[in-house]
Amino acid sequence: KQEVTQIPAALSVPEGENLVLNCSFTDSAIYNLQWFRQDPGKGLTSLLLIQSSQREQTSGRLNASLDKSSGRSTLYIAASQPGDSATYLCAGAENTGFQKLVFGTGTRLLVSP
Amino acid sequence: NAGVTQTPKFQVLKTGQSMTLQCAQDMNHEYMSWYRQDPGMGLRLIHYSVGAGITDQGEVPNGYNVSRSTTEDFPLRLLSAAPSQTSVYFCASSFRFTGELFFGEGSRLTVL
Repeated sequence: KQEVTQIPAALSVPEGENLVLNCSFTDSAIYNLQWFRQDPGKGLTSLLLIQSSQREQTSGRLNASLDKSSGRSTLYIAASQPGDSATYLCAGAENTGFQKLVFGTGTRLLVSP
Repeated sequence: NAGVTQTPKFQVLKTGQSMTLQCAQDMNHEYMSWYRQDPGMGLRLIHYSVGAGITDQGEVPNGYNVSRSTTEDFPLRLLSAAPSQTSVYFCASSFRFTGELFFGEGSRLTVL
């Protein structure tokens, strides 16, 4: 059974800093891995989706990597801004298909001006 | 473009009452799912559907029913509400071949 862990649970950085959020998963036969952003009281917004055959995806200041052999994914945020403050969640789809996503508990990010 | 729409946004129930959380999507997605989000536990899959007429259980299905009569709608029914079902519920959908999930804004349910 896939298990997903995110460390740290919370992170506070000054504006402009580059930062890395970590996500670990137990089943290397992962179908895909997604990173989401959640603002307080809101739903989740998909940021990046990495299929099992891919190693990374990029969107603007965001870059996500996937290393199945080590069971790790990282989300890199360049030149952080106060608007990046939110909770970031990763989710791995079990190897039976994309239908069953297993979520981590998230990293709460605060970027101070 | 509405995306995934959930109603109601807030609901308070008494123990034993029943209710239906509504979910509709206008993206012609085959796949729809319901998650619940609880503090410290992340999101957990309740039920999912890969197309009209096809549903299956997720990680925490007890106490919930679903049906999928159309591609657009995927309601979640609480049969007899319990305090343990106090949570925030999210509906999500995706196009089958990408698996990228699109979420609704959530329905906050309190069971007294």
